[in-house]
Amino acid sequence: AQSVAQPEDQVNVAEGNPLTVKCTYSVSGNPYLFWYVQYPNRGLQFLLKYITGDNLVKGSYGFEAEFNKSQTSFHLKKPSALVSDSALYFCAMYLRGYQKVTFGTGTKLQVIP
Amino acid sequence: DADVTQTPRNRITKTGKRIMLECSQTKGHDRMYWYRQDPGLGLRLIYYSFDVKDINKGEISDGYSVSRQAQAKFSLSLESAIPNQTALYFCATSGSTSGANVLTFGAGSRLTVL
Repeated sequence: AQSVAQPEDQVNVAEGNPLTVKCTYSVSGNPYLFWYVQYPNRGLQFLLKYITGDNLVKGSYGFEAEFNKSQTSFHLKKPSALVSDSALYFCAMYLRGYQKVTFGTGTKLQVIP
Repeated sequence: DADVTQTPRNRITKTGKRIMLECSQTKGHDRMYWYRQDPGLGLRLIYYSFDVKDINKGEISDGYSVSRQAQAKFSLSLESAIPNQTALYFCATSGSTSGANVLTFGAGSRLTVL
């Protein structure tokens, strides 16, 4: 069975420091991987995706993510956190032929001024 | 106007009542989904539809039904609401031609069942 794990319910980081939000996946095959962000009282917004090619993908708002096939991970990163980055972040996976996107449980990012 | 519009945004109802959540989209996407969000559980798929004549159950379809009235409209019904259906519900769309299946979400419908 395919699954996505986000091991941290919450991540706290000081403004200006680098941030990492972790995601690991389990699947047979080559998945597409995504990060979405949810601000309070809003729907999820797409940040970035990995399909194939370069393991480092860049997305919106200065975020990037690194795909690591051997560790089955797709961690979200940003070099310098902003208070406005505080939100709920979801990692997700799609496998062609399975017709649906599987989401992790979400990680709340709190950037402290 | 939002690409994916959900109505109502908030609804409080009583146990046993029938509830319909509606979703419409202007993206021109053929695929539409209903997800449920609960704290600590992430998003779980209730139903999905790849075109007007195609309806599929997701992980947690029991107690729910859907109708795809047109390519742009996909509604979710709770025939007899119960308190554990209290949650935040999201409609999402994606286009089959994009290949990557990036989802576009509505703003959500918060349902409380008393």
